[in-house]
Amino acid sequence: EAQVTQNPRYLITVTGKKLTVTCSQNMNHEYMSWYRQDPGLGLRQIYYSMNVEVTDKGDVPEGYKVSRKEKRNFPLILESPSPNQTSLYFCASRGPGTSTGELFFGEGSRLTVL
Amino acid sequence: AQSVTQLGSHVSVSEGALVLLRCNYSSSVPPYLFWYVQYPNQGLQLLLKYTSAATLVKGINGFEAEFKKSETSFHLTKPSAHMSDAAEYFCAVSDTGRRALTFGSGTRLQVQP
Repeated sequence: EAQVTQNPRYLITVTGKKLTVTCSQNMNHEYMSWYRQDPGLGLRQIYYSMNVEVTDKGDVPEGYKVSRKEKRNFPLILESPSPNQTSLYFCASRGPGTSTGELFFGEGSRLTVL
Repeated sequence: AQSVTQLGSHVSVSEGALVLLRCNYSSSVPPYLFWYVQYPNQGLQLLLKYTSAATLVKGINGFEAEFKKSETSFHLTKPSAHMSDAAEYFCAVSDTGRRALTFGSGTRLQVQP
């Protein structure tokens, strides 16, 4: 089954404790991206990757890191989480044949930073 | 920069009534436009997309949207609401480099029995 898989789905952590949210897709997609969803703000892009070893900042990259060492994986790293990073996070991917830009989303990771 | 405005953060309709969710966009070039639906505790699922082939776009679950360039709108409609349509709906526009989708703030649809 074609899918984008995120882990963990739910996480409660404390300020300053480094964490990683993993994202993996099994569709051989070149493009991957991370969004955060906050009430009243919709989804905002954090980082994206057009291909392996190619990453770039989105609209809200502060406090986050990413890496793209292999095509299928695109982890999101919070080096020192803060309460304002409490949010619902989505990983998404897009294949090369999708010329119009629509994305295929994972089921989300709900993060709470205390 | 592109932007999307969704009017009404909450919309409530009766089962069987018309659903109308509003979306206006700003874009300096002809856009690609999308509607996504998010059911509770799930990711976003593509409902339909406008890619300039036709101004009236039909999607899944009986939804459709009409692209109106003169009004810079892409409103989502469904003739008869069903209880299973209760969800949050997002309008989005793709940037010219396809680096990102810009999303509206979302509209939560409630369907009353």
